[in-house]
Amino acid sequence: EPEVTQTPSHQVTQMGQEVILRCVPISNHLYFYWYRQILGQKVEFLVSFYNNEISEKSEIFDDQFSVERPDGSNFTLKIRSTKLEDSAMYFCASTPTGYTEAFFGQGTRLTVV
Amino acid sequence: AQSVTQLGSHVSVSEGALVLLRCNYSSSVPPYLFWYVQYPNQGLQLLLKYTSAATLVKGINGFEAEFKKSETSFHLTKPSAHMSDAAEYFCAVSDGTNAGKSTFGDGTTLTVKP
Repeated sequence: EPEVTQTPSHQVTQMGQEVILRCVPISNHLYFYWYRQILGQKVEFLVSFYNNEISEKSEIFDDQFSVERPDGSNFTLKIRSTKLEDSAMYFCASTPTGYTEAFFGQGTRLTVV
Repeated sequence: AQSVTQLGSHVSVSEGALVLLRCNYSSSVPPYLFWYVQYPNQGLQLLLKYTSAATLVKGINGFEAEFKKSETSFHLTKPSAHMSDAAEYFCAVSDGTNAGKSTFGDGTTLTVKP
């Protein structure tokens, strides 16, 4: 069964460093998403991406965040200068249409030290 | 704007007992509703979804949920709990134009006692 793949599964970074989280969405999907889940808290929407541009973003998705689809298969989330409070599980998701539920990856646990 | 309220952050049941996890939603447009399960250190797995068709929705692992518009509810049930059902459960709401963008509830931790 097709699945969303995220790498790495766990990343540790120094505060102030840039990180790139990588995702390979399901191949025929057209809508892409990033969510985050701070430990012990609920899942929060960050951004949705369609037709090579951001379609919606939340208040959390400020200027330190960016997304990119550099080729036909990858979807990345970049955090330019990480803060301690960026420590969280980041989930990538994709859907084939705007009317279909999101298919989630297994997540990348980001730890900022 | 959409929101979800999950009543009860922790629910404990005995093995074989009925599982009832409560979810109420708020939406200005006809909602899509989802229940996801999350096992420790794992991702989100879709249990079931409501997308404006049948109001009683059956999902995986014996779970089902009923959409009640008058009560703005989408409670999750399972007739008989198994030990393997112990996990975190999230209710989520979307609109029909960008269904992959969901607003999640705070989650309910289900404990199953032997």
